[in-house]
Amino acid sequence: KAGVTQTPRYLIKTRGQQVTLSCSPISGHRSVSWYQQTPGQGLQFLFEYFSETQRNKGNFPGRFSGRQFSNSRSEMNVSTLELGDSALYLCASSVEGTNTEAFFGQGTRLTVV
Amino acid sequence: AQSVTQPDIHITVSEGASLELRCNYSYGATPYLFWYVQSPGQGLQLLLKYFSGDTLVQGIKGFEAEFKRSQSSFNLRKPSVHWSDAAEYFCAVGNDYKLSFGAGTTVTVRA
Repeated sequence: KAGVTQTPRYLIKTRGQQVTLSCSPISGHRSVSWYQQTPGQGLQFLFEYFSETQRNKGNFPGRFSGRQFSNSRSEMNVSTLELGDSALYLCASSVEGTNTEAFFGQGTRLTVV
Repeated sequence: AQSVTQPDIHITVSEGASLELRCNYSYGATPYLFWYVQSPGQGLQLLLKYFSGDTLVQGIKGFEAEFKRSQSSFNLRKPSVHWSDAAEYFCAVGNDYKLSFGAGTTVTVRA
C-alpha cells in the first residue's frame, strides 16, 4: 500500500513569489491535513480537509491557503513568500480525521531566499 | 484549548538501557493520544496511539505507552534501546480535526 506522497521534496523560492505544494493521500483516506515544522515554532497545524471541505484552520495569515480535490489529493499555496515561511511542510492523511490514525508524508522542504 | 508538554528537550541513553519519554497533556475530555518519531529530514512515523480502553498500549519497534488520566500523562517507554532509536520523538493530542504536538524530545544513543 503506497504511503502519503508529497511533491516536490525540495523547493527554493524568492521572497514575494508564490508556491504550491502537493499531497497525495493513502488510497481510501479522505482526510488530509497540513503542518508547518520549523526549529523555532515546532509543528504547527495549518488546515484540514475532508471530502473537499475545510473543517479546521490554524492560526496562519491568509497568504496560506489550501484545497482538496474530489480524488482526495490536496494542495496548499503560499503567496507573497517571506523568509519566515522557510520550513518543512508536512501532509498527513487519515481515513476520517483525528479519531483515526494519521500517516505523514516525507514533507516538502521550502527555502525562501 | 488542548496543549502538550514534553518536559525533556534532550535525552541521552546508552544502547541496551531503558528509555522513558514524558508527555503531559491538557485537555477537557478523554483525548486521542499519539506518539510519533522523526528521523532527520524525514516525515513523522506513528509509533502508537491511545483512543480508549486498555491504558497500556503497545506500538511498533518495541515501544509502549501508558495513559494515566489522573496525571494527564502519556509516557513512552522502551525496555532496551537500539542505536537506530536515535531520533526526535513527538507526543500529540488529536481533537477537532487537528493534532497538537509537543515540542519534541531528541534521543541520543551512545554505544
